[in-house]
Amino acid sequence: GAVVSQHPSRVICKSGTSVKIECRSLDFQATTMFWYRQFPKQSLMLMATSNEGSKATYEQGVEKDKFLINHASLTLSTLTVTSAHPEDSSFYICSAPRESLAGGVQFFGPGTRLTVL
Amino acid sequence: GNSVTQMEGPVTLSEEAFLTINCTYTATGYPSLFWYVQYPGEGLQLLLKATKADDKGSNKGFEATYRKETTSFHLEKGSVQVSDSAVYFCALKIFTSGTYKYIFGTGTRLKVLA
Repeated sequence: GAVVSQHPSRVICKSGTSVKIECRSLDFQATTMFWYRQFPKQSLMLMATSNEGSKATYEQGVEKDKFLINHASLTLSTLTVTSAHPEDSSFYICSAPRESLAGGVQFFGPGTRLTVL
Repeated sequence: GNSVTQMEGPVTLSEEAFLTINCTYTATGYPSLFWYVQYPGEGLQLLLKATKADDKGSNKGFEATYRKETTSFHLEKGSVQVSDSAVYFCALKIFTSGTYKYIFGTGTRLKVLA
C-alpha cells in the first residue's frame, strides 16, 4: 500500500487565493521530505527540501515567500502556494526518503494537480 | 554539476520486443542510481536501483547495470508487455550541502502495443 499520501489529489482555485497541500508519511518518520513540481512531459523539478524542526531549503529560482513549506511533525509536511496565479498550475509531488532501508529508498506521494483559474 | 540525461521518447514497441532506455549521468562523488516508473494516473514508484559501480539492479524483468566507466545506467527488458506502458525516470542520489538530493532525468514515455 501507499506509504506517502498527499491531500488533496486535485484542487481548482481562483487566482489570488492560497492553496495548502499536505504530504504525510504513513508508516515511517521522515525528518526530510522533498517537494517537486512536474510540468507536462517534463521531469520532476526539485523545489525545496522540507526539514523537520528547521527552515526549508529552497532550490535556486524558487520563491520561498510564494511556496511556503512547513514540516510540522516527523510525518507531515505542507506546501502552501500563496496568491496563486495561472502560471502556478502544475502537478506537485512530495517524497519522503526512508533511509533506514538499504541504500535509502525514496517514496513518492501520488501528486496534487493544481489548476488556477 | 550533477545531471541526468535520458533518451527522448516516446518509445513505441510491439509486445514481446526488446527494450532499452538509455540514461547517462554526471555527478561529483559516487551517486546511487535509480529507475522510477510512473503508470498513468499514479505516482512514481521505485523500479530498481544500484548503489555502486558494477551493481545490477533488477525487478519485474527490468535490469540496469551501474557503469562507472561510461557513466551510464541503461534500462533493459527482454520482452515488454502492454502493462509496461508508462513513463520511466532515471535518477541519481547524491549527498550535497549536508543532505541527500535526488536529480531526475526528463522521463521517457514507453508505449507497448498489443
